[in-house]
Amino acid sequence: EAGVTQSPTHLIKTRGQQATLRCSPISGHTSVYWYQQALGLGLQFLLWYDEGEERNRGNFPPRFSGRQFPNYSSELNVNALELEDSALYLCASSTQGQPQHFGDGTRLSIL
Amino acid sequence: AQRVTQPEKLLSVFKGAPVELKCNYSYSGSPELFWYVQYSRQRLQLLLRHISRESIKGFTADLNKGETSFHLKKPFAQEEDSAMYYCALSGIGGATNKLIFGTGTLLAVQP
Repeated sequence: EAGVTQSPTHLIKTRGQQATLRCSPISGHTSVYWYQQALGLGLQFLLWYDEGEERNRGNFPPRFSGRQFPNYSSELNVNALELEDSALYLCASSTQGQPQHFGDGTRLSIL
Repeated sequence: AQRVTQPEKLLSVFKGAPVELKCNYSYSGSPELFWYVQYSRQRLQLLLRHISRESIKGFTADLNKGETSFHLKKPFAQEEDSAMYYCALSGIGGATNKLIFGTGTLLAVQP
């Protein structure tokens, strides 16, 4: 079974730019979650999508947004990038009642 | 407030010694508790889920609702247990809702 895949592995942007991160869930999983792992802050919940709808949102500004496509893959968009957005962004997927499985992450660096 | 506390950033033990990684939580309701592990250069993966009551790789964890704890234990540490361990909590919806993570404990097993 293929695991959760994320792309790109690394992304380098400058302040004010926009970043798009992508995630493909495990086949059969309908829920996708995004987490931010910033240095010193641990893993913070960002967004949860299920069946194409945003189900829950963490304590992040509106410039963090995303969507889930009909094939259950997901994008995370971060607008107006700030230096403190530099972090590892993890995607996880699950299906009803099952634990979340994580990808390798996208490391976003803001210069 | 929902919170997971892992008081130790680093736990260093010798091979064959017992291990206890501490986790305390704060949650107004009935949470589901998990332990995730991240080995060097690998993705975050599920180790234990409290409702499964399994022993994985010799590790066990018991949910103590009175003390709001979910400590991870292993009677005899192995060098291959060296990794980062995260305790996590899920609320309403169980495993299909957002995870709240502790800050993690790095376990170093010395030969």
